[in-house]
Amino acid sequence: DAGITQSPRHKVTETGTPVTLRCHQTENHRYMYWYRQDPGHGLRLIHYSYGVKDTDKGEVSDGYSVSRSKTEDFLLTLESATSSQTSVYFCAISLTGGAVDEQFFGPGTRLTVL
Amino acid sequence: QKEVEQDPGPLSVPEGAIVSLNCTYSNSAFQYFMWYRQYSRKGPELLMYTYSSGNKEDGRFTAQVDKSSKYISLFIRDSQPSDSATYLCAMMLQGGSEKLVFGKGTKLTVNP
Repeated sequence: DAGITQSPRHKVTETGTPVTLRCHQTENHRYMYWYRQDPGHGLRLIHYSYGVKDTDKGEVSDGYSVSRSKTEDFLLTLESATSSQTSVYFCAISLTGGAVDEQFFGPGTRLTVL
Repeated sequence: QKEVEQDPGPLSVPEGAIVSLNCTYSNSAFQYFMWYRQYSRKGPELLMYTYSSGNKEDGRFTAQVDKSSKYISLFIRDSQPSDSATYLCAMMLQGGSEKLVFGKGTKLTVNP
């Protein structure tokens, strides 16, 4: 998975609890992305980062926050998890973010909110 | 109407069949078109990439873009059981908006 790890790989949590997912890359790519994948919706962009401390919202950012304090790490936080946030979360990286640069995806984190 | 529409299938074919996967889109500003393949419980991986209109061939795979119809296709010739996966189309605007817009994905099973 192109030097991308996600942790945890599986998590079960309860409604109202905070959850942080971590994406770590060893490729020194500038761009990092968080997606969620749900049946009937496909992959949807939550947030992305174009550099350390530089982030922007995606299509489905409500209820999520992100932080990037180092090039290699991109954190996704659910401040107060809800059942609608049960999903598979994928991190992706891209060298420059441009269309000619492939987005490489991590292995995913399966999150269940009870 | 979603920006990108893709029939989720599932699609089941015998080994050796020609497979046609399709997406339609509504935003004429899309210029970059990709196909990703996703095996079960794995992250997507880039399969084919096309800029603007035309065809691109890579082994058994051919990607076609028809911008006048806002329609893209992926053809798989001599399909193999190892091609069984979910195929997602994705698109990006001209100028590198950094954001890919994905279709829902089509689940393909190739039966031996």
